[in-house]
Amino acid sequence: DQQVKQNSPSLSVQEGRISILNCDYTNSMFDYFLWYKKYPAEGPTFLISISSIKDKNEDGRFTVFLNKSAKHLSLHIVPSQPGDSAVYFCAASVERIKLIFGTGTLLAVQP
Amino acid sequence: DAGVTQSPTHLIKTRGQQVTLRCSPKSGHDTVSWYQQALGQGPQFIFQYYEEEERQRGNFPDRFSGHQFPNYSSELNVNALLLGDSALYLCASSIREYAWETQYFGPGTRLLVL
Repeated sequence: DQQVKQNSPSLSVQEGRISILNCDYTNSMFDYFLWYKKYPAEGPTFLISISSIKDKNEDGRFTVFLNKSAKHLSLHIVPSQPGDSAVYFCAASVERIKLIFGTGTLLAVQP
Repeated sequence: DAGVTQSPTHLIKTRGQQVTLRCSPKSGHDTVSWYQQALGQGPQFIFQYYEEEERQRGNFPDRFSGHQFPNYSSELNVNALLLGDSALYLCASSIREYAWETQYFGPGTRLLVL
């Protein structure tokens, strides 16, 4: 039972354009969401988070949007840079307990 | 400042054997979480240790057990290994329970069960 889904296994974007990574969830009790980035041969690193009381959180080039009615989360990267090429995981929890990860989306930013 | 370190980096075992994986947290972190990442999947939460006690547990059988030491380092033990236990095992440390934003992952131990 995959409670957090990232339906696009990969995404290719030109440098300078917007990257949009999507995540859907099934558990309406999820109230806290995070995005992690992972480079090859390294562990994931925290990128940005959002709680269910907000619908948007911004940190520099990264913005996360939360649509609770659609149970949908998205990460926008503007402008995209070649160094952003990595696997991106979304993750969710209920009251910060038992973090559940999606399957990841491989982002390739072309120079 | 060393980040999270894990040992060994790679391991090959046969079905039925037992394995112990080790993790040293990032300096200043007192909480350790363990994850299993199968090929093509996201990390799956196994359990979290804080103050030398298991505080949270994911949907993993009792064959998976752990320990946290007074210096905050941790071990993951898996008994009666199955082929399906082949995966990358990630350790992550954080400054306290539930502080997922501060979670810092190690590079992982790749376990192959034959």
